[in-house]
Amino acid sequence: DVQMTQSPSSLSASVGDRVTITCRASQIINTDLNWYQHKPGKAPKLLIYAASTLQTGVPSRFRGSGSGTDFTLTISSLQPEDFATYSCQQSYTTPYTFGQGTKLEIK
Amino acid sequence: QVTLKESGPVLVKPTETLTLTCTVSGFSLSNAKMGVTWIRQSPGKALEWLAHIFSLDEKVYSTSLKSRLTISKDTSKSQVFLTMTNMDPVDTATYYCARISPEIVVVEAFDFWGPGTMVTVSS
Repeated sequence: DVQMTQSPSSLSASVGDRVTITCRASQIINTDLNWYQHKPGKAPKLLIYAASTLQTGVPSRFRGSGSGTDFTLTISSLQPEDFATYSCQQSYTTPYTFGQGTKLEIK
Repeated sequence: QVTLKESGPVLVKPTETLTLTCTVSGFSLSNAKMGVTWIRQSPGKALEWLAHIFSLDEKVYSTSLKSRLTISKDTSKSQVFLTMTNMDPVDTATYYCARISPEIVVVEAFDFWGPGTMVTVSS
């Protein structure tokens, strides 16, 4: 199975900050990498697919980059609604696997 | 409007079989390239992909859980089912179903999710 390692596991930041979350795959997965946002009790939300393409309706402050094994999710100016958990997921090969999640908290 | 909603028992006993239902609306399970997946998240753990099923009945399972899982669908009722046998306390988790986007073709991505259903395994 492809192992996905996310860092950091948690992050404290303030409204307006720029934050970066990284995701590393245990093998090359090209750009077959998606990012999701999830909040307790709510349905997870697809933010970015194919490493860098913004899902329809997602604000442009979210940006994804990377290819091969190393990927990043950047939020350029945090908004109050962005405090959530973010997970990466590879769809290069089954079984699809997720990173352990990064919990973004208000400082 | 695309929606998915999971339903099933809140509590199951060890060794029992769990059956979950995902009821979808806003799209048809018979549409070309339409797929639904099941994912779970145990407390404090990462999301774990379990299985998916496509419109032509193609099914793929998690390798580690394959022997215990069965995914199926009833297109006429817009429902997808997941059966997991021999439940154990480690299977305690929130179980989600999600749509595999038919519009995103470069990768398989889950564009709509249900809110999840929490299942506890305990005697």
